Amino acid sequence: AQTVTQSQPEMSVQEAETVTLSCTYDTSESNYYLFWYKQPPSRQMILVIRQEAYKQQNATENRFSVNFQKAAKSFSLKISDSQLGDTAMYFCAFMKHVYGGATNKLIFGTGTLLAVQP
Amino acid sequence: EAQVTQNPRYLITVTGKKLTVTCSQNMNHEYMSWYRQDPGLGLRQIYYSMNVEVTDKGDVPEGYKVSRKEKRNFPLILESPSPNQTSLYFCASCISWSSHGLKGSYNEQFFGPGTRLTVL
Repeated sequence: AQTVTQSQPEMSVQEAETVTLSCTYDTSESNYYLFWYKQPPSRQMILVIRQEAYKQQNATENRFSVNFQKAAKSFSLKISDSQLGDTAMYFCAFMKHVYGGATNKLIFGTGTLLAVQP
Repeated sequence: EAQVTQNPRYLITVTGKKLTVTCSQNMNHEYMSWYRQDPGLGLRQIYYSMNVEVTDKGDVPEGYKVSRKEKRNFPLILESPSPNQTSLYFCASCISWSSHGLKGSYNEQFFGPGTRLTVL
């Protein structure tokens, strides 16, 4: 069974600074997808960034980037130039690949609550 | 506007009183699922459906039922709610994966706004 671990329950960063959220996972699969979701106070689940395990290049989306270390089973999220609107709970998630596609089932970590301070 | 809707958004009820949380999507997605979110546990899948009349258990199905009579709707039923079902519930939908070879296809899941359920 796959598991996702987020070891930082809470983090704080100053506006305009850079912060890194950690995520590790355990799986015997070789093909899978990894995600970071943002959940602001509105509770809406928002996809921030995704990474396909077969891609060596780290994914980036504007101020958000990941450091994907497949051998170490590590998938950290870096937020550059932090903004007040980045204050939210962040979830790391795993999705297994099956031949022809994905299972669609997301396995989530326990979340990291990020507070951006003015 | 493409969206997943859930109703009600908030519900306070008492132990044993049957309730249904509705979920509807307007994107013609085949795959739909329910998750519950609890502090310190993240989100966990309750049930999922690959298509009409095709449903299966997720990781925490005890105490829940689902049905998929129409493609757009996937209600979550609590026949006899208990306090340990107090939680935040999310419905999600996406296109079923299609064959694109080994490197496959990922289909983004669209989440509803969540339903806060309190069982007293």
